[in-house]
Amino acid sequence: DTGVSQDPRHKITKRGQNVTFRCDPISEHNRLYWYRQTLGQGPEFLTYFQNEAQLEKSRLLSDRFSAERPKGSFSTLEIQRTEQGDSAMYLCASSFYRGNTEAFFGQGTRLTVV
Amino acid sequence: KQEVTQIPAALSVPEGENLVLNCSFTDSAIYNLQWFRQDPGKGLTSLLLIQSSQREQTSGRLNASLDKSSGRSTLYIAASQPGDSATYLCAVRVGNQFYFGTGTSLTVIP
Repeated sequence: DTGVSQDPRHKITKRGQNVTFRCDPISEHNRLYWYRQTLGQGPEFLTYFQNEAQLEKSRLLSDRFSAERPKGSFSTLEIQRTEQGDSAMYLCASSFYRGNTEAFFGQGTRLTVV
Repeated sequence: KQEVTQIPAALSVPEGENLVLNCSFTDSAIYNLQWFRQDPGKGLTSLLLIQSSQREQTSGRLNASLDKSSGRSTLYIAASQPGDSATYLCAVRVGNQFYFGTGTSLTVIP
């Protein structure tokens, strides 16, 4: 297993367009997280899945954001009607539910809204 | 709400020096604490995980300590190298969320 994989690595989109990002977690991990990081800041929590269930969502996750994890495997994060303020690095992480809960992050998707 | 602070925000040292990065958190009810490294424009690489019941963890030239009661952790880097230049982030896990500091930007000068 090569770790957490995110696609695409970079995305430039015009304001008002919809974008979708994909995350493939480490295969044995049943927890999956999405975080957002802006320049000079630490990552901020967006949402969390345990298997296919979305158990927590941050207030940062407006109704323009939606995340899914069908069948408890890969996850997608969609942003509708993008705004310039959505420009950020979107990070995905995964971990086990029990025992060693070390979180492993992907390389992120850098979104630029122009 | 958990607040995580990292001091200093930036640090520049000559190669070979030992150094300490600090992390403090406001709520001691954490599940674990994790240190990460982030290179510019990249994702996070896990360095060390300390469970709430542990006092320290070591990996190669890195040693992390945890004092949960005082809300503090330190990351000690021995014999620093230019390849250690990066931003170092600490994160505490509370429930199902990780709370991050804003990081310490480390530059090791050859």
